[in-house]
Amino acid sequence: DTGVSQDPRHKITKRGQNVTFRCDPISEHNRLYWYRQTLGQGPEFLTYFQNEAQLEKSRLLSDRFSAERPKGSFSTLEIQRTEQGDSAMYLCASSRPGLSLGEQFFGPGTRLTVL
Amino acid sequence: AQSVSQHNHHVILSEAASLELGCNYSYGGTVNLFWYVQYPGQHLQLLLKYFSGDPLVKGIKGFEAEFIKSKFSFNLRKPSVQWSDTAEYFCAVNVPGSARQLTFGSGTQLTVLP
Repeated sequence: DTGVSQDPRHKITKRGQNVTFRCDPISEHNRLYWYRQTLGQGPEFLTYFQNEAQLEKSRLLSDRFSAERPKGSFSTLEIQRTEQGDSAMYLCASSRPGLSLGEQFFGPGTRLTVL
Repeated sequence: AQSVSQHNHHVILSEAASLELGCNYSYGGTVNLFWYVQYPGQHLQLLLKYFSGDPLVKGIKGFEAEFIKSKFSFNLRKPSVQWSDTAEYFCAVNVPGSARQLTFGSGTQLTVLP
C-alpha cells in the first residue's frame, strides 16, 4: 500500500475565496470518506463515496461544500466562499470490502486556514 | 445519533506506568468500537477494534480494550507505557448496517515522560 495521499498539505486563503482539495485513496479501495477536524476535537464525518456514488452526506456539509469522485478513484472537496469557520484539518480516508467496517486508512490531511 | 465521550483530554505518565483511557458512547443498539491513534507527525491509524465475541480485545503494541456493554464503555489499557506511546488517542464507534462513517470522540493526548 502506498497510502492515502492528499494535496495540498496546507492551504491559506482569504475569506470569500474558493478552495479545492484532492484525495487519492489506496488503489484498490472503493470506499472514500471525508472528515473535518478542528483543534481539540476528533474528526467529524462529512461525506462518503462508494465507487463514484456519493452515498452519505453529513448536515455539516453546507451548500458551500461539494465533493466529487468522478471515476471512482480520486476525490475532490471544494469549498466555495470560504469563511473563517471553515479553518480546519480536512482528512480523507479510504477502505475496501473485506476490511471490517470502520477500519479506515487515513491520509495526512489538508490544513486550511481562512484569513 | 450516536456520540462518543472521552473525558480525559490530556494524560501525563512516566514510563512503565499503567494506562487506562476512558471512552463512553451513547447508542442504544449494537455498535462496532474502535481506538485510533495518531503519533506525532503521522496519520491516524487503527489501534484495535471490537465487533462481537470476547469483550477483551488486543491490539498492536501491547494495547488492549474492554467492552462493557452495561456501562456503554470501551476503555483502552496498557500495563506499562513507553515514551514511544506518546500520541493522541481517539475512540470511535460505527453503527452496523447504517451509514459507514465513524463517530469519533474528542481525543486524549497522552504524554509519556522518559
